[in-house]
Amino acid sequence: ETGVTQTPRHLVMGMTNKKSLKCEQHLGHNAMYWYKQSAKKPLELMFVYSLEERVENNSVPSRFSPECPNSSHLFLHLHTLQPEDSALYLCASSHLLEHEQFFGPGTRLTVL
Amino acid sequence: GQNIDQPTEMTATEGAIVQINCTYQTSGFNGLFWYQQHAGEAPTFLSYNVLDGLEEKGRFSSFLSRSKGYSYLLLKELQMKDSASYLCAVRDSNYQLIWGAGTKLIIKP
Repeated sequence: ETGVTQTPRHLVMGMTNKKSLKCEQHLGHNAMYWYKQSAKKPLELMFVYSLEERVENNSVPSRFSPECPNSSHLFLHLHTLQPEDSALYLCASSHLLEHEQFFGPGTRLTVL
Repeated sequence: GQNIDQPTEMTATEGAIVQINCTYQTSGFNGLFWYQQHAGEAPTFLSYNVLDGLEEKGRFSSFLSRSKGYSYLLLKELQMKDSASYLCAVRDSNYQLIWGAGTKLIIKP
């Protein structure tokens, strides 16, 4: 595996379900990011981790919970989501916070 | 507030040249990025400008004017595979990336 991988690629869940998104980077980077991408809207930064410490939380609802167990892995735990949370969730990594970001293919999430 | 503006959609002809503009108002400036995103795929890095002027990379060039809060991405010798969305992003004084909504570029034969 190379680059940034994300699983699952597609996820359909009910509002009462609990699920987790997984991201793994094989680039030796020190920073990882979660973004939400909705149609025709700018990318929304959700969480940033640098050296496994959270450095950014842009007022994301508590129904989204990130976890970064090490510099190569990032999770996004989901519970009691709303239909408006349906979107493409992208993971990215960079060598340092100021460097260009490399994106994973995303998880297409649908909340029923 | 912070804002990135770019056209929603543009159409161009195969073999031609197209310029995608981006204007920004941000709290501080620490560089501007252009990314390409094909439908259903991840954004991929195209270019980075932090000083005024033109950066050329093959068929793609990116220009920056910090005094005008303005950048453009120039694509030459357009190919059908260039049909994609092009995202402009500015890094502000807190090193946070502020993203535009993207420009969908449609290439016609």
